[in-house]
Amino acid sequence: ETGVTQTPRHLVMGMTNKKSLKCEQHLGHNAMYWYKQSAKKPLELMFVYSLEERVENNSVPSRFSPECPNSSHLFLHLHTLQPEDSALYLCASSQEGQGFAGELFFGEGSRLTVL
Amino acid sequence: AQSVTQLGSHVSVSEGALVLLRCNYSSSVPPYLFWYVQYPNQGLQLLLKYTSAATLVKGINGFEAEFKKSETSFHLTKPSAHMSDAAEYFCAVSDREGGSEKLVFGKGTKLTVNP
Repeated sequence: ETGVTQTPRHLVMGMTNKKSLKCEQHLGHNAMYWYKQSAKKPLELMFVYSLEERVENNSVPSRFSPECPNSSHLFLHLHTLQPEDSALYLCASSQEGQGFAGELFFGEGSRLTVL
Repeated sequence: AQSVTQLGSHVSVSEGALVLLRCNYSSSVPPYLFWYVQYPNQGLQLLLKYTSAATLVKGINGFEAEFKKSETSFHLTKPSAHMSDAAEYFCAVSDREGGSEKLVFGKGTKLTVNP
């Protein structure tokens, strides 16, 4: 079982659909992240949850709505997306505190295509 | 805020040749620095990290990187490239802006290994 699992791996949706991306970490970490990876752009940090509390929201449009019900699970709810939102969405986890050095553990990503 | 610059979005080497991927960071304090690798259709995997111990850091798959404070550089090297090294490589620096710890990534360098 991999440390960070993302589902679905691929998702195609229309602009009016509502869907969710799911992330689960089996590493006992206390922080989780959503990143967006688009072609020819740096990795963009979207949201950070530390101890299940959102600590960072990098000016992400409201059509993206994160949810962190517990320290092992993270969701990204999607609605009325735009074609430019098509990208690879990466979930990551880390253990903050106790000499945290910033190391992130990534899932394999969810490839989203918005038609 | 911290930033990372990776020189060269594409690097091509022959199998058995030296691999050199360049990374420069901006930081006013000693940073934590990372190299991650991303194989096609996968998430990011940690190659190595610098956390203010030895300036020459050895990672997985024969890669190493040297922290040079005077040059604000953290270049990644491997003496002899293998076909399996073909992937995209990301340099990252830790940032503590805003009270939460996060990684800031460079734009990535795609490595091609020719037979």
